[in-house]
Amino acid sequence: GAGVSQSPRYKVAKRGQDVALRCDPISGHVSLFWYQQALGQGPEFLTYFQNEAQLDKSGLPSDRFFAERPEGSVSTLKIQRTQQEDSAVYLCASSLAYGTAGTQYFGPGTRLLVL
Amino acid sequence: DAKTTQPPSMDCAEGRAANLPCNHSTISGNEYVYWYRQIHSQGPQYIIHGLKNNETNEMASLIITEDRKSSTLILPHATLRDTAVYYCIVRVGGDYKLSFGAGTTVTVRA
Repeated sequence: GAGVSQSPRYKVAKRGQDVALRCDPISGHVSLFWYQQALGQGPEFLTYFQNEAQLDKSGLPSDRFFAERPEGSVSTLKIQRTQQEDSAVYLCASSLAYGTAGTQYFGPGTRLLVL
Repeated sequence: DAKTTQPPSMDCAEGRAANLPCNHSTISGNEYVYWYRQIHSQGPQYIIHGLKNNETNEMASLIITEDRKSSTLILPHATLRDTAVYYCIVRVGGDYKLSFGAGTTVTVRA
């Protein structure tokens, strides 16, 4: 199918390791979002890209979190020096519209477990 | 601040209509009501949205009260595959963020 894909689907990291999570949005989608979902809770916004520009990173929990989308397509969420509290599902979503009220299509998520 | 209130869980019989309530008493005139659902181990899936008129699509119907302080998502003929967490979200038209709450865990039983 032509949906949003994420890799890896599961990642186990030792505390202190760096991890990189990849998102392939739907082709042609301008907007890309990252969300974090802790166990038993709803997703929470992390950051937003419009093409290659990161317009909002207000939800990133610390400076250990970094996201990029250099060519306006694939995006990578990087977490440096992972901590146990970083364990969560990381969801990527894309939208055809420029930000606003466009429907967001979500990928299956990457489940990160930090030991 | 939670903008919506939903029951934490509800059961529904397969083949029957499922009516999911949502209270949003502080909704502003330019805020839309969105519904998403999340099936276990999947990402959230868009269902429907509306401003003040009732809306229907192939998945569900959305009924918004006249004062817009509450709404109901209706799944007309629930199937086992509709078992999921359903999120009611209010969102300003120009706001790109989705603010999910805890949602309602809907279990459809055979």
